[in-house]
Amino acid sequence: DAKTTQPPSMDCAEGRAANLPCNHSTISGNEYVYWYRQIHSQGPQYIIHGLKNNETNEMASLIITEDRKSSTLILPHATLRDTAVYYCIAHPTGTASKLTFGTGTRLQVTL
Amino acid sequence: SAVISQKPSRDICQRGTSLTIQCQVDSQVTMMFWYRQQPGQSLTLIATANQGSEATYESGFVIDKFPISRPNLTFSTLTVSNMSPEDSSIYLCSAADPDRYTFGSGTRLTVV
Repeated sequence: DAKTTQPPSMDCAEGRAANLPCNHSTISGNEYVYWYRQIHSQGPQYIIHGLKNNETNEMASLIITEDRKSSTLILPHATLRDTAVYYCIAHPTGTASKLTFGTGTRLQVTL
Repeated sequence: SAVISQKPSRDICQRGTSLTIQCQVDSQVTMMFWYRQQPGQSLTLIATANQGSEATYESGFVIDKFPISRPNLTFSTLTVSNMSPEDSSIYLCSAADPDRYTFGSGTRLTVV
């Protein structure tokens, strides 16, 4: 997996959009950008993934730059339950190979 | 996506003993993995559990300390052997679906 870089922590007010950045300047052509989150004392939870087009699902939106060297995960209306560590991972899909976690971003949503 | 049941959810063990953690997936999956998460740290891959053959261990992890079984496509176990306080961590199993990974809720192990 290509190395990713994320800020160690971020704060967001409840109800506002949380925008979590990720740099992956060495990403390969066959690697997707995956986002997972880990709420305290739970296993990581899949959020979203994409290759080069922007993606949206019921949890979040993923914006990938045209050069694919960075991306942003957007939680449109953050709630207290979104407080977690968010991991951005560059990983080839369809190969079922091991997933490598970096240090992630600790998002704190406050009232 | 697959659903994983992992047990026990937590345990307190005496040093020198062993603990076996079980991971059951509700569907057949090709790949299963075991991770360790030390307090305040990210997840570190211990090994890939291969069905019908020996597990593939990452650097720093050995079979004698962390024996793994994978008897079929829905089940795996991880044993933490001859435990010491340094083994106190959360242990998680994971299963690979074609395009995403599912994780168990973890086993919080405390060695005293």
